[in-house]
Amino acid sequence: GAVVSQHPSWVICKSGTSVKIECRSLDFQATTMFWYRQFPKQSLMLMATSNEGSKATYEQGVEKDKFLINHASLTLSTLTVTSAHPEDSSFYICSARQGVNTEAFFGQGTRLTVV
Amino acid sequence: GENVEQHPSTLSVQEGDSAVIKCTYSDSASNYFPWYKQELGKGPQLIIDIRSNVGEKKDQRIAVTLNKTAKHFSLHITETQPEDSAVYFCAAPRRGYQKVTFGIGTKLQVIP
Repeated sequence: GAVVSQHPSWVICKSGTSVKIECRSLDFQATTMFWYRQFPKQSLMLMATSNEGSKATYEQGVEKDKFLINHASLTLSTLTVTSAHPEDSSFYICSARQGVNTEAFFGQGTRLTVV
Repeated sequence: GENVEQHPSTLSVQEGDSAVIKCTYSDSASNYFPWYKQELGKGPQLIIDIRSNVGEKKDQRIAVTLNKTAKHFSLHITETQPEDSAVYFCAAPRRGYQKVTFGIGTKLQVIP
């Protein structure tokens, strides 16, 4: 199956700093990438959808100035958590798909801890 | 929007027994139904999926059934093994897969 790689797999940062998470499709070109957040023992909540070369579409309640998403190429999307606070600590997961009506494949997730 | 309900939230079975997880969805436009397995600290992995033009699909010990009229689909795992222990999520993307709604997840524990 297709491979989606996230980096880093875990990160600890100080409150007030920014953190960038990368999501790469290794063996296919991803026209669309999705970013999710998952709190402990909860389901995945979609944060935003990004299409290559255009601005991301954010879900209601997700601050676009706080969670900056860039999808500059067909194989890379980045999520930057700006001015991170302890409540931003969570498991962030990306997924990518090649085209419309195709399944999306998930990265391994990034555990963010803000101290 | 799509509403996906999944149950049970937890399920314990003896090794070798079968496990069944059920989901219902609300959007009649949904036409693709994947099931994901998530192990602790990892991202979800697609284990099986079904499209709306078939009623059942099997892959070794795993099967999925779909009832479009009733808007529900189920995951069946037979001859369970300890390595099947994980959290399982159903999902119901809308046509074109623009948005995906996940169920709450089912924590499956297979007791050796």
